[in-house]
Amino acid sequence: NAGVTQTPKFQVLKTGQSMTLQCAQDMNHEYMSWYRQDPGMGLRLIHYSVGAGITDQGEVPNGYNVSRSTTEDFPLRLLSAAPSQTSVYFCASSPGPVVVSTRAIYFGEGSWLTVV
Amino acid sequence: RKEVEQDPGPFNVPEGATVAFNCTYSNSASQSFFWYRQDCRKEPKLLMSVYSSGNEDGRFTAQLNRASQYISLLIRDSKLSDSATYLCVVISNDYKLSFGAGTTVTVRA
Repeated sequence: NAGVTQTPKFQVLKTGQSMTLQCAQDMNHEYMSWYRQDPGMGLRLIHYSVGAGITDQGEVPNGYNVSRSTTEDFPLRLLSAAPSQTSVYFCASSPGPVVVSTRAIYFGEGSWLTVV
Repeated sequence: RKEVEQDPGPFNVPEGATVAFNCTYSNSASQSFFWYRQDCRKEPKLLMSVYSSGNEDGRFTAQLNRASQYISLLIRDSKLSDSATYLCVVISNDYKLSFGAGTTVTVRA
């Protein structure tokens, strides 16, 4: 029972490099989202998707792209990494609208990204 | 102003003690409230929902005060395993999910 699988767990990037954080879920969930967590701040929503082919911006979308070509996968792309993107990233999935099924929010184990 | 604010702590308590902390929210029309637990370098996991009348789950008691716009979490008979960061989650009337920055609790032997 894999749940939400996030890779890589740790990554160091140089400023200007690009990379993709992978997220996959095997629960056939409609809703998927990406958050970043910084010291002293709560989880902040970057992008989210309510189903395959549909994505939308969250609170802090700048510098990130997403796509949802399948129900299972929701990769997060950093096009040109900046030190301000040093953070911990969490992918999450839910079978329904997050707002009414928080009990069913499943998080990936997190990706620690450092941009130097 | 942050939508959800928590005392970051840390709350450093001995085993067996009671510890309590609050989370304030700014949107008076917020509709749902939760406490999540996050261990060091781990993902958040749901601890309990917070109901209007207050609710308990073993040694954990959650309460909601709508008039003063805060929720609280009380941990009785603290165990070493309770050491973690506790995040409050508030869902607003426009269905926005907001996380607090977390309150760190350290239980010492």
